[in-house]
Parts: sequence; structure tokens; C-alpha cells
Amino acid sequence: EIVMTQSPATLSVSPGERATLSCRASQSVSSNLAWYQQKPGQAPRLLIYDAATRATGIPARFSGSGSGTEFTLTISSLQSEDFAVYFCQQYNTWPYTFGQGTKLEIK
Amino acid sequence: QVHLVQSGAEVRKPGASVKVSCRASGYTFTGYFLHWVRQAPGQGLEWLGWMNPNSGGINYAQKFQGRVTMTRDTSISTAYMELSRLRSDDTAVYYCARDVGPFYFDMWGQGTMVTVSS
Repeated sequence: EIVMTQSPATLSVSPGERATLSCRASQSVSSNLAWYQQKPGQAPRLLIYDAATRATGIPARFSGSGSGTEFTLTISSLQSEDFAVYFCQQYNTWPYTFGQGTKLEIK
Repeated sequence: QVHLVQSGAEVRKPGASVKVSCRASGYTFTGYFLHWVRQAPGQGLEWLGWMNPNSGGINYAQKFQGRVTMTRDTSISTAYMELSRLRSDDTAVYYCARDVGPFYFDMWGQGTMVTVSS
């Protein structure tokens, strides 16, 4: 099974600043990668699919990049509602696997 | 509006079974695969398997083969996930999620907390 490794585990950033989250796959997943945001007590919310395509209704400050084994989620100017946990998920190879998450907290 | 509404929290003893439901509304239930994903307290997400509500076809993660059963009732747009021979490490929030990918998920149920404790 493909192991997805996210870094850092916790990221402290001030509102208005840029946040960069990383996700690495143990083998190539092509561009078959999604990013989700999860707030406490809520279900995950789809942000990005196909590594770089924003889901419906997702603000332009969220962007995804990468292919193969290295991926990045960038939030260009953090808003208060962006502080949450972010997960990556590969859907290239069965079984589909998630990273352990990056907690984005207010600095 | 698209919704997935799950059944309420459950408490079971080790060795028992639990069946969680997921009712879809606002879209054609048979038009999208449905997946089940779980999240242990404070942990990441773990995928259990998927079901094709149209055909009833299923695919389970190997880890859960023999313990998980996914079914559906198309007349009431509801999917079910049953997990048997429960252990304490099955304690988790169980989510159903709609597949719009293939294999990524745009709509999730609110989650069902399953607690396994003696």
C-alpha cells in the first residue's frame, strides 16, 4: 500500500501570511491526489483534486501543485477560518490512502 | 441540496457487530459510488471500501475483508456498512462519502461514532 507522509505535523502561521503544506507519496501517484480540510467535529471538506484543481466553491487562495511523489498545498493569505487540519489522499492505487494530516494553527 | 445523513452513535461490546446507515438526498443515489472511511480519535483517515449503489458491486480494503459488509436499499436511497467481530481499536467515527472522482469525495456524512468497550 502507498504510504502518504505529510509535513510538518503542525504548522504555526499568522493570519494574512502564506502557509505551505507538503505531502509525499511512497511511490508515484501521478496527479491522482486530493486535499481535504477538516475542522473539529466536522467531516472533511474537499479542497483540491487532481493535484491542482480547486473543488467547487473553494476560494482562490487555496492552490495545489505537484505530481509523482511530491505535492504541495498553498494557502496564500490565511484567514481565520482556514485554521484546521489538512489531509492529502491518493487515489491512484488501490487501496486509497490518506496522509496523517497537518494541523494548521494560529501563531 | 446534496446531503448524506448517517445514523446515530453506537456502543458495542467486543465481538459484537454494528450497522451504520447513510441516507442520501438531493441527488440520484444510484449515480455515484459511495465510500466508507473511518477516523479513530485524534487520528487520520482510513478507507474501508466502496459500493456501487446502482449494481450493488463492492470493493473492500483487504484489512477489513471478512469483517465488513456494505449494502444498500435503493428504494430509500440508503447505504449500510456493517462491521463484525468488533475490537476496541475499531472505536472511531465512521463516515460515508460520495465519490465524484473517481475515488475522491465531495460530500461526506456527518459521521457516526462507534465505541467498542467492555
